[in-house]
Amino acid sequence: EVQLVESGGGLVQPGGSLRLSCAASGFTFSSYAMTWVRQAPGKGLEWVSGISTGDGSTYYADSVKGRFTISRDNSKNTLYLQMHSLRAEDAAVYYCAKDREGGIPDYFDCWGQGTLVAVSS
Amino acid sequence: DIQMTQSPSTLSASVGDRVTITCRASQSISSSLAWYQQKPGKAPKVLIYKASTLESGVPSRFSGGGSGTEFTLTISSLQPDDFATYYCQQHNSYPLTFGQGTKVEIK
Repeated sequence: EVQLVESGGGLVQPGGSLRLSCAASGFTFSSYAMTWVRQAPGKGLEWVSGISTGDGSTYYADSVKGRFTISRDNSKNTLYLQMHSLRAEDAAVYYCAKDREGGIPDYFDCWGQGTLVAVSS
Repeated sequence: DIQMTQSPSTLSASVGDRVTITCRASQSISSSLAWYQQKPGKAPKVLIYKASTLESGVPSRFSGGGSGTEFTLTISSLQPDDFATYYCQQHNSYPLTFGQGTKVEIK
């Protein structure tokens, strides 16, 4: 069974940093692009960042470019999102998601349960 | 960036109704569109990808259509389990973008 388990969320002050992790199991992690999607309380879905297989090309939403870094460790079957300079508007549930087809991030057939990031002083 | 606009934002319907949600892209995205269903407190679930391909295990009452800039998600006969929020997402170019969502409520 494909499973994605996020961790690392919590309360952080504005300007602070946090690293999210997503542990994957039940599929060949290295063969699939992976993505982070977030959802602010009561709001819609926002794609945040994605990482491809192979050369590990990375992609970012304009709202997080330069502040967030996505990475993967295929030996640990784990996806990461390093977040710096956090703002109030970054507060959300962060989901990791597996690409359906592989290769580059496009659409997603398996999602984690999400991890909550709160940004407040 | 490609903007995705869904209509309506909220839809009230009864069990058995035929329901259609529209998603418009700010520029052509060919057939690079996915639809997701999300229930409160749960992660989204993919229903349709490449505009009209039904994900495995998704009931056949769901169907997707369109290409270019205009797309539809149709539920042929609404079931109690279908009351949820639906999102479209373009996968034509980066950054990937979602529509704002359509909440399907019980009438």
